[in-house]
Amino acid sequence: KAGVTQTPRYLIKTRGQQVTLSCSPISGHRSVSWYQQTPGQGLQFLFEYFSETQRNKGNFPGRFSGRQFSNSRSEMNVSTLELGDSALYLCASSLSAGYGSYEQYFGPGTRLTVT
Amino acid sequence: AQKVTQAQTEISVVEKEDVTLDCVYETRDTTYYLFWYKQPPSGELVFLIRRNSFDEQNEISGRYSWNFQKSTSSFNFTITASQVVDSAVYFCALSEAEEYGNKLVFGAGTILRVKS
Repeated sequence: KAGVTQTPRYLIKTRGQQVTLSCSPISGHRSVSWYQQTPGQGLQFLFEYFSETQRNKGNFPGRFSGRQFSNSRSEMNVSTLELGDSALYLCASSLSAGYGSYEQYFGPGTRLTVT
Repeated sequence: AQKVTQAQTEISVVEKEDVTLDCVYETRDTTYYLFWYKQPPSGELVFLIRRNSFDEQNEISGRYSWNFQKSTSSFNFTITASQVVDSAVYFCALSEAEEYGNKLVFGAGTILRVKS
């Protein structure tokens, strides 16, 4: 079974631009979560999608948004990029969205550098 | 508020030594789940174990073992006879049943370096 795939793997953008990252979950998994990893803040939860609906959201500004498609694939978008948005963005998939109980399997991440 | 603390920032051991990674958590929820993930240099987080708050049995999987103690809010991870391939960053994480979804709150991680 193929794992979680994320594209692109690396991205360099300029401050003020916007970016879209893509995530394809494990086949059969219907929930997709996004996390940001930085040296200073560590791993932080961005949001989770299940059945094309955002189920939970972390403490990030509105510049960070996402969506999920009917095939469970997900995209996240960051508008008006800031230098502080440079990070590894990790996508995780799980079978369903329960109450904390489902294991999440992570993709290799997209490393975003904002200059 | 939920919080996970991994006090050990970095640990260095020589191959074949045993090593324990500490994890202390805070939650007001009575039902919660604890996880350990491994992040090798490639960056992908690898799932190692999930434990629910009602199951305090220790678990062993090959060279890996986990000790869950609710009384001290700890969920420690031991690697027996460490190998160079165990070198990675290890994260402990918590999710609460009170909140819908699978949101994980991670500790800061412990860098494990195993030298040959």
